[in-house]
Amino acid sequence: AQTVTQSQPEMSVQEAETVTLSCTYDTSESDYYLFWYKQPPSRQMILVIRQEAYKQQNATENRFSVNFQKAAKSFSLKISDSQLGDAAMYFCAYLYYTGANSKLTFGKGITLSVRP
Amino acid sequence: DAGVIQSPRHEVTEMGQEVTLRCKPISGHDYLFWYRQTMMRGLELLIYFNNNVPIDDSGMPEDRFSAKMPNASFSTLKIQPSEPRDSAVYFCASRRQDTGELFFGEGSRLTVL
Repeated sequence: AQTVTQSQPEMSVQEAETVTLSCTYDTSESDYYLFWYKQPPSRQMILVIRQEAYKQQNATENRFSVNFQKAAKSFSLKISDSQLGDAAMYFCAYLYYTGANSKLTFGKGITLSVRP
Repeated sequence: DAGVIQSPRHEVTEMGQEVTLRCKPISGHDYLFWYRQTMMRGLELLIYFNNNVPIDDSGMPEDRFSAKMPNASFSTLKIQPSEPRDSAVYFCASRRQDTGELFFGEGSRLTVL
């Protein structure tokens, strides 16, 4: 079974600084998707960034980028120039699908606080 | 598009009562998922549908939980009878066959007293 591990329950970063959130996963598949979702206090789940496993290039979305290490099964999220609005819970997620089978598995999440 | 629509946003009920949560997925999406979020257990997948057919319900906690998807634009998650340990936020999400991203509703916060 696929599992997603976020070992750090909480992190804190100074505004304008850079922070990296860690995630590891376990799978025997070679083709899959990885995601980072953000959940602010409003509880809405917002997609931050996605990565297809077959792509070697790390995904980037403005201030957000990932370090995808397929062999190590590691998928970390880097937030540059942190802003107060980045304070939220962040979830790493893994998706594998074949035919009709499609299951998105989440890690436990990490709470990020941003200090002004 | 309006996004995934869930109702109610908040529900407070007493133990033993029936609870029905509703979801309207994004039009054209083939998959619909029900997740439960609690502090202790995080986000748990309860059940998901493909083209209105349940594919995997192994996450449904027990027989008190049931889910239906009578058509492509509507799904329900029912708890009968409800218990205090069912208190959680329940999310519905949908996605298209050809993309990986899930789009989430705003969640239904259930409190069972």
